[in-house]
Amino acid sequence: GDSVTQMEGPVTLSEEAFLTINCTYTATGYPSLFWYVQYPGEGLQLLLKATKADDKGSNKGFEATYRKETTSFHLEKGSVQVSDSAVYFCALSDKGGSEKLVFGKGMKLTVNP
Amino acid sequence: AAGVIQSPRHLIKEKRETATLKCYPIPRHDTVYWYQQGPGQDPQFLISFYEKMQSDKGSIPDRFSAQQFSDYHSELNMSSLELGDSALYFCASSRRQPKTEAFFGQGTRLTVV
Repeated sequence: GDSVTQMEGPVTLSEEAFLTINCTYTATGYPSLFWYVQYPGEGLQLLLKATKADDKGSNKGFEATYRKETTSFHLEKGSVQVSDSAVYFCALSDKGGSEKLVFGKGMKLTVNP
Repeated sequence: AAGVIQSPRHLIKEKRETATLKCYPIPRHDTVYWYQQGPGQDPQFLISFYEKMQSDKGSIPDRFSAQQFSDYHSELNMSSLELGDSALYFCASSRRQPKTEAFFGQGTRLTVV
């Protein structure tokens, strides 16, 4: 079945550091890809998405590019802030089915001042 | 903008009791999803409904049942609760036409003691 593999962390960075969170996927078709963020004590918020190969999703300084050839959707941010401290989940959904989300294990990021 | 509303936010039950979790989707959304997130885990898909009919089923125990009502709200019924059912339960909603991504509620934290 479909699956998502991502860096699990936890990761601690200093403010203004560069962030990369690797994410690769396995799917039978061409899924839509997502990054969700979960702040402490809160629900899941969509950070960005891409629905087809070579699409780039971006939001709040974060970017990820849908790479079909490497089945990857790595998340990057050039300069993290303390407010970016959260758990980040990579996820996919199959376009032809119920579009349920399959999540990676999540990565906890802590950004120190 | 209206978001997905879940109630209650917190619930404490004893083993072998029953629990009912409610989800009110974003207006005009026709699809509801339920996910279970154990401590430190990624969310796992339980079940989904489209236009009040079950559309997909994941790793939902037989002790659990769910339905979507005519006003599109959904309820997750959990019986014979076990300690391992302690988790954060998320509801998400989306719309098929025109298509939207899934929006998550803040979750119900269920603790079984």
